[in-house]
Amino acid sequence: LAKTTQPISMDSYEGQEVNITCSHNNIATNDYITWYQQFPSQGPRFIIQGYKTKVTNEVASLFIPADRKSSTLSLPRVSLSDTAVYYCLVEPDSGAGSYQLTFGKGTKLSVIP
Amino acid sequence: DADVTQTPRNRITKTGKRIMLECSQTKGHDRMYWYRQDPGLGLRLIYYSFDVKDINKGEISDGYSVSRQAQAKFSLSLESAIPNQTALYFCATSDEQSGEGRYNEQFFGPGTRLTVL
Repeated sequence: LAKTTQPISMDSYEGQEVNITCSHNNIATNDYITWYQQFPSQGPRFIIQGYKTKVTNEVASLFIPADRKSSTLSLPRVSLSDTAVYYCLVEPDSGAGSYQLTFGKGTKLSVIP
Repeated sequence: DADVTQTPRNRITKTGKRIMLECSQTKGHDRMYWYRQDPGLGLRLIYYSFDVKDINKGEISDGYSVSRQAQAKFSLSLESAIPNQTALYFCATSDEQSGEGRYNEQFFGPGTRLTVL
């Protein structure tokens, strides 16, 4: 089970770009990286997922270096509504046997007006 | 209507009682999951099911059991509830696309807040 390490908290002003880095040193060859967002008393919501290099969608970008031992979630021009906890996950190949998934403690992002 | 629903949304029970949490989904997904979340912590996987005949233990399955009654329904039971099972419980579904360009987005329900006295 690949363990992830993220900063506990981050603060940012509205309109700034926010980058949250996650360390996953023992990621396996077939694992991929997923980020979720969670607001208080709600279930997590999928943000983005990737295996290598760069992935971009309408809300975020995910940067994964060649060694895949870390990844960075980039949120462009954050607003107050982006205040939430962000989780980095390393997801195993579900066809490879035991499928274990741990969200970790996440990064609490606070966006300041 | 919500794609993933959980009942009840809140429940207070006493130590030793049997309790069942239910999850239903209308997304047509084969995969379903149960997680628990403790204050200030992330989610931990309790059980998961990749199809109706498949049940697998997650990281913290002790004290819990599950039943996959149909593709759309996945229930979590606490046979004899204890206070340290007080937590927020989430059900999720997904439909992983395997192979090149693999993709697995989990859709979560609203959660059940369980208190065991």
